[in-house]
Amino acid sequence: DQQVKQNSPSLSVQEGRISILNCDYTNSMFDYFLWYKKYPAEGPTFLISISSIKDKNEDGRFTVFLNKSAKHLSLHIVPSQPGDSAVYFCAANTNAGKSTFGDGTTLTVKP
Amino acid sequence: DARVTQTPRHKVTEMGQEVTMRCQPILGHNTVFWYRQTMMQGLELLAYFRNRAPLDDSGMPKDRFSAEMPDATLATLKIQPSEPRDSAVYFCASGPRSPGGYTFGSGTRLTVV
Repeated sequence: DQQVKQNSPSLSVQEGRISILNCDYTNSMFDYFLWYKKYPAEGPTFLISISSIKDKNEDGRFTVFLNKSAKHLSLHIVPSQPGDSAVYFCAANTNAGKSTFGDGTTLTVKP
Repeated sequence: DARVTQTPRHKVTEMGQEVTMRCQPILGHNTVFWYRQTMMQGLELLAYFRNRAPLDDSGMPKDRFSAEMPDATLATLKIQPSEPRDSAVYFCASGPRSPGGYTFGSGTRLTVV
């Protein structure tokens, strides 16, 4: 039973355009949601997060949207840059701090 | 710049051998995780600790895997005996108790032949 799902294994966008990465979850007990970025041969690095009591959080080019009723969150990157090419993981935390990850989406930003 | 240190970075071993992976969490972080990433799967939670006490190790095959925190500066993950299906990248992560992103190490790439 996979509680956090990223249904798109890959996404390709043109430089300067918007990248939208999606994530769905099933566990209503999750109270914090995060996005991580991972380059090859490195560990994931934390990118942006959102509390379950909010519906939007913005940090520079990155915005995370949360739709609790649909159990869906998304990460928007605007404008996309070639350096954004990486694997993006969605994660969800319980209030005990347990972090469950999705399978990741590989983003390729073409110059 | 604080970081999570994992050793070794790479390990090749023969089936049946014992493997020990080590992690030095960031000083002051009281939550430590072990994750595994295989080619076909995302990040699979194996175990996590708070204040050195195991909170959840339900994702770990108990017959061959064990995770411990002998002290606040060291977390270990052991596999005995190792099998080819254990080949993966094993990540350690640490963080404070409060909600937020965790800091990952660079991982240990394990190959069991």
